[in-house]
Amino acid sequence: GAVVSQHPSWVICKSGTSVKIECRSLDFQATTMFWYRQFPKQSLMLMATSNEGSKATYEQGVEKDKFLINHASLTLSTLTVTSAHPEDSSFYICSARDPSGYEQYFGPGTRLTVT
Amino acid sequence: AQSVTQLGSHVSVSEGALVLLRCNYSSSVPPYLFWYVQYPNQGLQLLLKYTSAATLVKGINGFEAEFKKSETSFHLTKPSAHMSDAAEYFCAVTPYSSASKIIFGSGTRLSIRP
Repeated sequence: GAVVSQHPSWVICKSGTSVKIECRSLDFQATTMFWYRQFPKQSLMLMATSNEGSKATYEQGVEKDKFLINHASLTLSTLTVTSAHPEDSSFYICSARDPSGYEQYFGPGTRLTVT
Repeated sequence: AQSVTQLGSHVSVSEGALVLLRCNYSSSVPPYLFWYVQYPNQGLQLLLKYTSAATLVKGINGFEAEFKKSETSFHLTKPSAHMSDAAEYFCAVTPYSSASKIIFGSGTRLSIRP
């Protein structure tokens, strides 16, 4: 089946620094990828939709300048958390849309801790 | 617009007992429906999906779900719970008519008692 990887699986950074998270579709090309944020014991919150070769579409309330998304190829999307603060600590999950159009395959997630 | 309601944020059953996790959806167009499972500190794994074919859908790990349009429900069941089923379960919907974002329910935590 389709596999999506994320790197790193966990990261600890200091407040004020930036962190980049990679999302890769390993065995299929994904024109659309999604980035979610999940707080403890809560559901997934969609942050943005990443389209290859174009600007990401952000959900209401998500700061575009803080969460930079780049989808430079059909197999790679990156999320950069700029000037991270402790409140940005969370579990970030990406997904890639199946070429057939409706199913999404999820990555294993990245645990970000900002100290 | 689409939405999903999962009744019960926490369900606890005994090992060997029936598992029933409830999901009701709202959709203005025919939906695709999904159940995902999440183990601690991991991503989501697809259990099963409804894509307008058979209304009774069988998934992995012995789970199944039945699409009932009249009740706008897509409840997840398993005849006999196993300790390894303890996890968080999410019901999700996306519109059939176009490729769009998936809307997730709030999740149900399933605990299994020995």
